[in-house]
Amino acid sequence: NAGVTQTPKFRVLKTGQSMTLLCAQDMNHEYMYWYRQDPGMGLRLIHYSVGEGTTAKGEVPDGYNVSRLKKQNFLLGLESAAPSQTSVYFCASSYSALLEYNEQFFGPGTRLTVL
Amino acid sequence: KQEVTQIPAALSVPEGENLVLNCSFTDSAIYNLQWFRQDPGKGLTSLLLIQSSQREQTSGRLNASLDKSSGRSTLYIAASQPGDSATYLCAVKSVSNFGNEKLTFGTGTRLTIIP
Repeated sequence: NAGVTQTPKFRVLKTGQSMTLLCAQDMNHEYMYWYRQDPGMGLRLIHYSVGEGTTAKGEVPDGYNVSRLKKQNFLLGLESAAPSQTSVYFCASSYSALLEYNEQFFGPGTRLTVL
Repeated sequence: KQEVTQIPAALSVPEGENLVLNCSFTDSAIYNLQWFRQDPGKGLTSLLLIQSSQREQTSGRLNASLDKSSGRSTLYIAASQPGDSATYLCAVKSVSNFGNEKLTFGTGTRLTIIP
């Protein structure tokens, strides 16, 4: 099993450009998440999905959109990139929520720089 | 609002020593607590997950404890090795104000094991 994979690994954008980050998991997990990690701050949840065809806002959703057309894939879109979106983006997945033994599995991350 | 704190932010110890990493959280109504390891430029690797009903979990040289009432968890690493050098993150799962699950991360402790 590959676990959680993310593409691309690195990307440099100019302000105003758009892009899509792809997350894929092969563990048949229902829940998927997108986080960003910035220096001096803990990981913050951008958006998440509780199943195919569903999405919900997390802690810092502004400037991002997501889609979950297939259970195994979760896409994060930036319509008009801003320098404040320079960050490392992590995708995660889990079996389900609100269970004590539920744990999240993380991808390797995408390092995005917006100039 | 749940807040997770990890002190110290950085720690250096000689190889072979036992050490303890600390994590504290403000809201004791949690489902579980997870310890992660993050190597530079890499994703998060789950080390241990402690359910809210448990007091500790062990994996090899790692032992994590949880005291919900005091809002504290510790990660004990025995006989430290240079390969243990990494940033260690703790995260607590609780329910957000909107009734969904939320994983709140600390900012991590950067551990360096000196050969």
